[in-house]
Amino acid sequence: NAGVTQTPKFQVLKTGQSMTLQCAQDMNHNSMYWYRQDPGMGLRLIYYSASEGTTDKGEVPNGYNVSRLNKREFSLRLESAAPSQTSVYFCASSLIRVSSSGNTIYFGEGSWLTVV
Amino acid sequence: AQKVTQAQTEISVVEKEDVTLDCVYETRDTTYYLFWYKQPPSGELVFLIRRNSFDEQNEISGRYSWNFQKSTSSFNFTITASQVVDSAVYFCALIPDSNYQLIWGAGTKLIIKP
Repeated sequence: NAGVTQTPKFQVLKTGQSMTLQCAQDMNHNSMYWYRQDPGMGLRLIYYSASEGTTDKGEVPNGYNVSRLNKREFSLRLESAAPSQTSVYFCASSLIRVSSSGNTIYFGEGSWLTVV
Repeated sequence: AQKVTQAQTEISVVEKEDVTLDCVYETRDTTYYLFWYKQPPSGELVFLIRRNSFDEQNEISGRYSWNFQKSTSSFNFTITASQVVDSAVYFCALIPDSNYQLIWGAGTKLIIKP
């Protein structure tokens, strides 16, 4: 029972390099999310995809791009990494809008990204 | 304003003590959803509970219990007979029905000493 799977788990980048974080869910969820978590803080939403084919900006989208490749996959790209993007990144998914009865958001295990 | 406040940055107790983690929220929505997540030292986020704004029933799950009070905008979490394995950061979060954004508290670091 994989749930939400994200890769890589750890990555070190040099300033200016690009990389893509991959995320896949096997729960047939419609909505997917990317969050970042900085030390001592709660999660902040970067981008989300309410359904396949749509993406929207969250609280902190600058410096990132996303692609909802299909219903299962939602990738996050850093085009030119900066030290300020050093963080832990969490992918998440939910069946549909959270208002649906019994619905909730499930998270991947996190990706630790360091930009030097 | 829509926000979640976890005023306790860190709590340290001795094993077997009861401990309550506070969560106070603000939202202009009449319908909203509250969550608690656990983040152990390994880093993953573990879902604990979801509560809808229209359901004020308190809930007990083993040693865990949650007290939801709309009158005080609070959703507190109590661990009874704490164990070392309960050591983690606990996050309270809110989703107003008007949008998708999961609004997080800053977290409370809970340390259970043997």
